[in-house]
Amino acid sequence: DQQVKQNSPSLSVQEGRISILNCDYTNSMFDYFLWYKKYPAEGPTFLISISSIKDKNEDGRFTVFLNKSAKHLSLHIVPSQPGDSAVYFCAASEGPSGSRLTFGEGTQLTVNP
Amino acid sequence: EAQVTQNPRYLITVTGKKLTVTCSQNMNHEYMSWYRQDPGLGLRQIYYSMNVEVTDKGDVPEGYKVSRKEKRNFPLILESPSPNQTSLYFCASSGWVRGETQYFGPGTRLLVL
Repeated sequence: DQQVKQNSPSLSVQEGRISILNCDYTNSMFDYFLWYKKYPAEGPTFLISISSIKDKNEDGRFTVFLNKSAKHLSLHIVPSQPGDSAVYFCAASEGPSGSRLTFGEGTQLTVNP
Repeated sequence: EAQVTQNPRYLITVTGKKLTVTCSQNMNHEYMSWYRQDPGLGLRQIYYSMNVEVTDKGDVPEGYKVSRKEKRNFPLILESPSPNQTSLYFCASSGWVRGETQYFGPGTRLLVL
């Protein structure tokens, strides 16, 4: 039972354009959401997060949007750069054990020069 | 430098030969966790530990053991490895603060023949 789903295994965009990565979840108890980025031969690194009390969080070129009623979140990267090419994982946590994360399958983003 | 280290980075073994993957963090984090990454499945939690001598099963604990005798170390033990444990393994750690980001090690690629 995949509680966090990223339905697009891959996404390709042109440099300078917007990248939109999507994530859906089924567990209504999730109240904290994170995005991680992973380069080949490295471990995932934290990118941006959002609490369920917000619907938007912005950090430079990265913005995460949360739609609780739809159980959907998205990561926007504007403008996209070739160095953004990586696998992006959506993750969620619930309750007081904030460190226990449930991950999605990942989306491979390729930004073409 | 704050980091999570794993050893070995690559390992080829045969079915049934016990092995241990070590994990160490230098950030004095209470929380540590092991994940495996498989194609199309994302990152799945194997075991986690909230502090010394406190461990619990994650989503896919079968065939694995862990121990947390010291705060900085969290080894993953495969008593009798099988081919279905061929995977990419990540150790992670974080402080015990709600939503605090997890720091991941570089990964251990395991092949069980």
